[in-house]
Parts: sequence; C-alpha cells; structure tokens
Amino acid sequence: DTGVSQNPRHKITKRGQNVTFRCDPISEHNRLYWYRQTLGQGPEFLTYFQNEAQLEKSRLLSDRFSAERPKGSFSTLEIQRTEQGDSAMYLCASSVPGLRGTDTQYFGPGTRLTVL
Amino acid sequence: AQSVSQHNHHVILSEAASLELGCNYSYGGTVNLFWYVQYPGQHLQLLLKYFSGDPLVKGIKGFEAEFIKSKFSFNLRKPSVQWSDTAEYFCAVTFNYQLIWGAGTKLIIKP
Repeated sequence: DTGVSQNPRHKITKRGQNVTFRCDPISEHNRLYWYRQTLGQGPEFLTYFQNEAQLEKSRLLSDRFSAERPKGSFSTLEIQRTEQGDSAMYLCASSVPGLRGTDTQYFGPGTRLTVL
Repeated sequence: AQSVSQHNHHVILSEAASLELGCNYSYGGTVNLFWYVQYPGQHLQLLLKYFSGDPLVKGIKGFEAEFIKSKFSFNLRKPSVQWSDTAEYFCAVTFNYQLIWGAGTKLIIKP
C-alpha cells in the first residue's frame, strides 16, 4: 500500500512530556499537511509544507508545536510540554499541487494522542 | 473567517431510504469543494470533489453532490442507502491551500 502512513497510531503520555509523530506521504506528493481533530469536530488545519518549506501555520499551532520536513519527504510534528488539551487525533495528508487550490488531499490513519 | 456548516450531526435511516446531507460554506469567492467519508475504524477517504464545470458531480459508491453557487451549498445525496454506508461524512472547502471542514454528520443505516 502506498498511501499516507503515520506512526505511532496511538500515543499515551503524561502531562509535561514531549511527543513526536511521524508522517510519510504518498511518494511524489510534494505537499504535506497536518490537521488536528477532536471528538465531534471536523479536522482543523495546523500547518503545511511544500517540499521542505513550511509555507503556512495556523494560529492554533502554539510555540509548543513544531513541524519539520527536512528533506521534503517525511515530516515530524513535535509537541513539547504536552497539556491535556492537546489530546486529539493528529492527521497528516499529502497532495500534488493543483491550479488555484485544486489539490486533492489524501489522508493517513492519524495518531491518537492521549495526555494524562 | 471562512466556515463550513453541516446541518445534521446525526442521521439515522433504514436501508433503501434516500439520503441528503446538507453543507453550506461562507466563502464568496471561487471554491473547491469536497466530501470525505470516514468508515468505522478507517481513515478519511475522498468521496467526491467539485472544482468547476458541471455542478452535479458523481463520486464513489453511488454518491453525488450538487453545487449551488447562489445558495453557497454543496449537498450530498444518494438515492438508496445501504447498511455499509454507515460512516461519518465531512464536507470541506479549500481556502488558501488548507481545507476548512464542517463538524461532520454521523450516518447510521439500520438493516
């Protein structure tokens, strides 16, 4: 299967700990997106990359959050000093650029974070 | 701020019933519209999309959606649902390369 993969699928951590998630996009997809989804809500945009460049960040992404895509392939999302409010599903998507925003984003299975 | 509204959070239907899920968006410019589906235990999958052209678009598994620009709507329809359509359905709009999402509609089909 050459879809978007995310690791780990589940992460339980204690408040104050740092966590890192990984996303491997579909090969040759040079756009990569991170979203967060809480129960009963649709996903919320966090950030996106075109190749290795981080082009947009949501105001939801506090200074405790950082995302990287160092070689333009896989990406990592790190949360420092986790808080209980960070508990959510973290989704990664990838796409090939289209004209006027006509990208179709393909999603991975997500990483479910629980902060105790 | 751009927003997407899905009118029903929960819908329960019997098999063979017709389905229509509402979606309205707030952005007045050119829009790209999507419906995604999430089956139980699975990840988000694209159901259908509209970029331009014929406002009636067909997707997978017999779903279709109609873009009505004057109503800022992109409602999802299926003439006859099956038990396997039980899932959560999300409407989304592209805005500056990010997707803006509705809160989702949980659809339960009774066999």
